[in-house]
Amino acid sequence: EPEVTQTPSHQVTQMGQEVILRCVPISNHLYFYWYRQILGQKVEFLVSFYNNEISEKSEIFDDQFSVERPDGSNFTLKIRSTKLEDSAMYFCASNGAWGAGNTIYFGEGSWLTVV
Amino acid sequence: AQRVTQPEKLLSVFKGAPVELKCNYSYSGSPELFWYVQYSRQRLQLLLRHISRESIKGFTADLNKGETSFHLKKPFAQEEDSAMYYCARKGGSEKLVFGKGTKLTVNP
Repeated sequence: EPEVTQTPSHQVTQMGQEVILRCVPISNHLYFYWYRQILGQKVEFLVSFYNNEISEKSEIFDDQFSVERPDGSNFTLKIRSTKLEDSAMYFCASNGAWGAGNTIYFGEGSWLTVV
Repeated sequence: AQRVTQPEKLLSVFKGAPVELKCNYSYSGSPELFWYVQYSRQRLQLLLRHISRESIKGFTADLNKGETSFHLKKPFAQEEDSAMYYCARKGGSEKLVFGKGTKLTVNP
């Protein structure tokens, strides 16, 4: 079964540094997402992306965050200047179509630790 | 605001016992409800969605609009069912709103 893949699986970074998390969505999917899960808390929506632009974003997704699909296969999440509270598991997800009955598939996650 | 509530953080049962993981959602139009499962160190996987009314790995879930619930049930739990279970909804957009999750432990 096709899978969403994410790299790195774990990254430790110093506060203030830029981080790029990478995702390869399922190949024929058109809708892409980032979610995050702070340790012990719920999975939270960050952003959705379609047709090379953000279609929806949450209040968490502030100016420090950006997403990009640079080459038609990768989907990246950039955090410009990391803060301690950005430490979390970041999940990429993709979806083949809009609307009821369509499944959002998740990657295994990238665990980001900001020190 | 769309909310999903899973009142039990932890649930422990013995193998062969029935299990019910509770999920309630805030009423808003016609939500689409899901259960996702996360086995140890693995990705979130779709287990069930209400729209398909299917049974996966012996689990079922019925949408009760009167009680705004979508509880997950299995008549006979197995050890391999031990995992984190997340209830989630879509409604009005394609984003998923998750509950906090319930950690199910099935003891031998």
